[in-house]
Amino acid sequence: EVQLVESGGDLVQPGGSLRLSCAASGLTFSSYWMSWVRQAPGKGLEWVANIKQDGSEKYYVDSVKGRFTISRDNAKNSLYLQMNSLRAEDTAVYYCASVSYFYGMAVWGQGTPVTVSS
Amino acid sequence: SYELTQPPSVSVSPGQTADITCSGDKLGDIYSCWYQQKPGQSPVLVIYQNNRRPSGIPERFSGSNSGNTATLTISGTQAMDEADYYCQAWDSNTVVFGGGTKLTVL
Repeated sequence: EVQLVESGGDLVQPGGSLRLSCAASGLTFSSYWMSWVRQAPGKGLEWVANIKQDGSEKYYVDSVKGRFTISRDNAKNSLYLQMNSLRAEDTAVYYCASVSYFYGMAVWGQGTPVTVSS
Repeated sequence: SYELTQPPSVSVSPGQTADITCSGDKLGDIYSCWYQQKPGQSPVLVIYQNNRRPSGIPERFSGSNSGNTATLTISGTQAMDEADYYCQAWDSNTVVFGGGTKLTVL
């Protein structure tokens, strides 16, 4: 069974840091671009970041540039999102997903909630 | 930055056809995808490459993309199709989502 499982979401104070993880199984992880997508409470989907198969290319939405870092460890079939200088507006459920221009975001995790509040 | 625009809501009677639109500059020149999201669940890909259905997605879901508009069509809409629907496209190496459309089946 193809599966993505996120973890690491928590309640954190403004200005704090958090590291999200996404464990992949049932797919050839190293063959896929991967994404983080978030959804604020009651709001729509917002793409956050992409990373190429070998980690050599990374792209971010403007609102997280300089604060968030996407990375991956293909040997561990894992994707990460390091989030620094967190703001209230970063409060959301964070999903990881496999992504392709040709095939879309075919596999999604169940999401992990991040709450930024004092 | 590239923007995709969807109507906030669409209503349809059971058994009828629902069309959900997504507008963007020259959207028809690139591939579009559609996702279904039910409350408390992760999004599910229902259309990719403008009009292709992943395995397991019912035939009543179809898509088109031309000019500045992509359209998700649900034929013979069922109560289980009530959900939020999001279009998605690429802008260079970044991903763009539409704002989402709440489909109500009543």
